[in-house]
Amino acid sequence: NAGVMQNPRHLVRRRGQEARLRCSPMKGHSHVYWYRQLPEEGLKFMVYLQKENIIDESGMPKERFSAEFPKEGPSILRIQQVVRGDSAAYFCASSPNAAGGTDTQYFGPGTRLTVL
Amino acid sequence: ILNVEQSPQSLHVQEGDSTNFTCSFPSSNFYALHWYRWETAKSPEALFVMTLNGDEKKKGRISATLNTKEGYSYLYIKGSQPEDSATYLCALPGGSYIPTFGRGTSLIVHP
Repeated sequence: NAGVMQNPRHLVRRRGQEARLRCSPMKGHSHVYWYRQLPEEGLKFMVYLQKENIIDESGMPKERFSAEFPKEGPSILRIQQVVRGDSAAYFCASSPNAAGGTDTQYFGPGTRLTVL
Repeated sequence: ILNVEQSPQSLHVQEGDSTNFTCSFPSSNFYALHWYRWETAKSPEALFVMTLNGDEKKKGRISATLNTKEGYSYLYIKGSQPEDSATYLCALPGGSYIPTFGRGTSLIVHP
């Protein structure tokens, strides 16, 4: 049973380019969470999705950032026109039910984005 | 925004020492608390989920207690080993049941 998979593991972009981060949840999990870890900071919630729906995007910047979790395929976090401040580690987690209750979240290995 | 505090921020101990650290949270509207272990260059892994006041969970040399009335949980490690070196995170659901993570306690166990 494969765990949560994220790709790419490392991504380098120049300012102004687009970054696409992919997350495949564990089999049977329909809830996906994206987090960002900035240097010297903890995990910050960005967005919570279920299949084809954004449930809560309160932690995601209003501009340049978007997320989706289509019926088929992985969840994608998209950052347009990247800036140096977007450099961070982006983690995806999945759970079988809403993880805010007693269900545990299972984390992927993260994507480390570097913006030159 | 739910305020989840962890202390200390970092901790250095010698192999064989026992240690503990704290996760503090608002005692009102408590639902559940999760502890995670996060090794460098890996992803966070779940240790415990705790729901009831007075809960005590144990996994090997690691145990945790919960006091929801006063708003804290302790994580204990007995006889620390170098492989216990990691950041230990606690998380609680806040608004919309979105987990809010503390900043973690970084534990380094010296051989």
